Amino acid sequence: DAGITQSPRHKVTETGTPVTLRCHQTENHRYMYWYRQDPGHGLRLIHYSYGVKDTDKGEVSDGYSVSRSKTEDFLLTLESATSSQTSVYFCAISSLELDGEQFFGPGTRLTVL
Amino acid sequence: SQKIEQNSEALNIQEGKTATLTCNYTNYSPAYLQWYRQDPGRGPVFLLLIRENEKEKRKERLKVTFDTTLKQSLFHITASQPADSATYLCALDLAGGGADGLTFGKGTHLIIQP
Repeated sequence: DAGITQSPRHKVTETGTPVTLRCHQTENHRYMYWYRQDPGHGLRLIHYSYGVKDTDKGEVSDGYSVSRSKTEDFLLTLESATSSQTSVYFCAISSLELDGEQFFGPGTRLTVL
Repeated sequence: SQKIEQNSEALNIQEGKTATLTCNYTNYSPAYLQWYRQDPGRGPVFLLLIRENEKEKRKERLKVTFDTTLKQSLFHITASQPADSATYLCALDLAGGGADGLTFGKGTHLIIQP
C-alpha cells in the first residue's frame, strides 16, 4: 500500500461543531485530494492541493476548507458540521510521474448528529 | 448536463466467463480515463489508465477500451474469479495527468458466482 494514512478513522460529532480530518503521506507526492463518498453519488472531489500552500476547490467545496503547510499533510476542516456532511471521506495522492493515477487512503467515516 | 453512467444494477457473472463493465459519459471531453476497484470499507485501488488517443489497454486479465466518438469505455475481466467480486469505478481525468482531480461514476457492483 502507498504510504497514506487518515485520522481519525471514525468520528461522531454534533451539528455545529468544528471537525478536522487529517491526511498524511510518506510518498512525497505533490498532489493531494479530498473526496467524499455517499450512496447514490459516488466519489466527489471536495478540494485538492498541487503543492504546499497551493489549494483549489472541487465540485462540492461549500462548507469545507483545507490547508497544506507541509508536503506530507493535507487537512480538511468542517467549520460548523451539518448532518449533510455525514459521509465517508477519502484522501488521495498523486504525482506527475504517475500520469494521474491516484492512491487512496483507508477513509474516515464521519457521522454528524 | 454532465453525466457519467455505469451499470446501475449489480452484474452477476459465472466464474470463468468474461465480465464486461460499461462507462458512458456525456458533455465531458476527458483526456484520460481510469478504472478503479473498491472493496467494502476500503479506499479505491487503481487498475488501468487509458488516454484519449489510445483505443485499448491490457494488463493481465484486464482490458479497457476507450471510444471518444461514442463517449464510452468498456472494462473487461477475462477468466473471472470470485475474488474479482467488488465495485468497479470509472473516473474521468479531464485535464490529463490528474492534477485537477478525477470525476467518478457511481460504480458497478460485480459479483462472480462460483
